[in-house]
Amino acid sequence: EVQLVESGGGLVKPGSSLKLSCVASGFTFSSYGMHWIRQAPKKGLEWIALIYYDSSNKYYADSVKGRFTISRDNSKNTLYLEMNSLRSEDTAMYYCAKRLSDYWGQGVMVTVSS
Amino acid sequence: DIQMTQSPSSMSASLGDRVTITCQASQDIGNNLIWFQQKPGKSPRPMIYYATNLANGVPSRFSGSRSGSDYSLTISSLESEDMADYHCLQYKQYPYTFGAGTKLELK
Repeated sequence: EVQLVESGGGLVKPGSSLKLSCVASGFTFSSYGMHWIRQAPKKGLEWIALIYYDSSNKYYADSVKGRFTISRDNSKNTLYLEMNSLRSEDTAMYYCAKRLSDYWGQGVMVTVSS
Repeated sequence: DIQMTQSPSSMSASLGDRVTITCQASQDIGNNLIWFQQKPGKSPRPMIYYATNLANGVPSRFSGSRSGSDYSLTISSLESEDMADYHCLQYKQYPYTFGAGTKLELK
């Protein structure tokens, strides 16, 4: 059974940093590109980043480019999202996904507030 | 960036109704579109991929179609469990972009 379990969220102050993790199981993690998507409270979905299976390519939404970094450790079956210079508008539920048409995690909440 | 204009933003319908939700792409996206269903407090669930293909486990009353730059999700006979938010996503070009969503409620 495929599982994606996000962690690392919480309440942080504007300007601070946070690193999310997504632990994958039930499939060959090292064979698949992985995504991060977020959803602000009562708002729509926003795709924010993709990393290729071998980390050779990374793509970002303009809203997070230069502040967020997607990475992965295939030996640990784990996807990461390092978030710096956090703003109130980054407050959202963050989801990881294995192929957007496939499996999504349950999400982890990040709240940026003073 | 490719804009996905989704309509309607909300709608109410009766059980057994035929329901159609549409996303219009601002540029050619081929058939690189996914439809998601999202219920309160849950992760989005892929329903249709590559515009017309039913995802695993999705009831056959759901279907996807394309007419030019307009992509549609149709529920042929609405059931109570279909009440949810629906989102489209284009994955033709980075950054991938979602429509604004449609809230489907029971009349």
